[in-house]
Amino acid sequence: DTEVTQTPKHLVMGMTNKKSLKCEQHMGHRAMYWYKQKAKKPPELMFVYSYEKLSINESVPSRFSPECPNSSLLNLHLHALQPEDSALYLCASSLDGTGYYGYTFGSGTRLTVV
Amino acid sequence: KQEVTQIPAALSVPEGENLVLNCSFTDSAIYNLQWFRQDPGKGLTSLLLIQSSQREQTSGRLNASLDKSSGRSTLYIAASQPGDSATYLCAVPSVNSKLTFGKGITLSVRP
Repeated sequence: DTEVTQTPKHLVMGMTNKKSLKCEQHMGHRAMYWYKQKAKKPPELMFVYSYEKLSINESVPSRFSPECPNSSLLNLHLHALQPEDSALYLCASSLDGTGYYGYTFGSGTRLTVV
Repeated sequence: KQEVTQIPAALSVPEGENLVLNCSFTDSAIYNLQWFRQDPGKGLTSLLLIQSSQREQTSGRLNASLDKSSGRSTLYIAASQPGDSATYLCAVPSVNSKLTFGKGITLSVRP
């Protein structure tokens, strides 16, 4: 298995809703990432988990809450989002926290906040 | 701070043409560079990963080169096809494994 699987592929949520994005990989990678991508822009890093510990939070608002229950799974909990949070959310993984062996990205979750 | 530049932002070519996509970076202290493809609304697909000790990597019709000293990488696509139409991004890992991306080149291959 050489994939990063993200669910759901599409999500529409109201500003008062609570939802979660899920990311899974079975490549034995020990670092996992959340990126946010707006239209016609490159991905922007949100969070990094290395060996199941949060190592980087790029000053992301608290309405985004990451969770890494185990080395294969990464969640992003969403609460009280704003319309400007609508974007493509990408999960990625790498063998270790250095990125030396490259990164594998998932197909993304298209999030629309109404 | 690492900066990655991809110029031009968009490129349109007729089918069958060989083409080169450029990527430049400001800090040559990198240990690899990765090229990705992104179709509209989709995730990133890794095309090629070049380690700093390598000069080239090939996969099918794709060939990527890396010149650390000049801060440049190129992605060569041979005999382009309409199915190659996508956005191509290059990226280098920076401190704490943060990936720095270029803004991408949107390629359109005309039948």
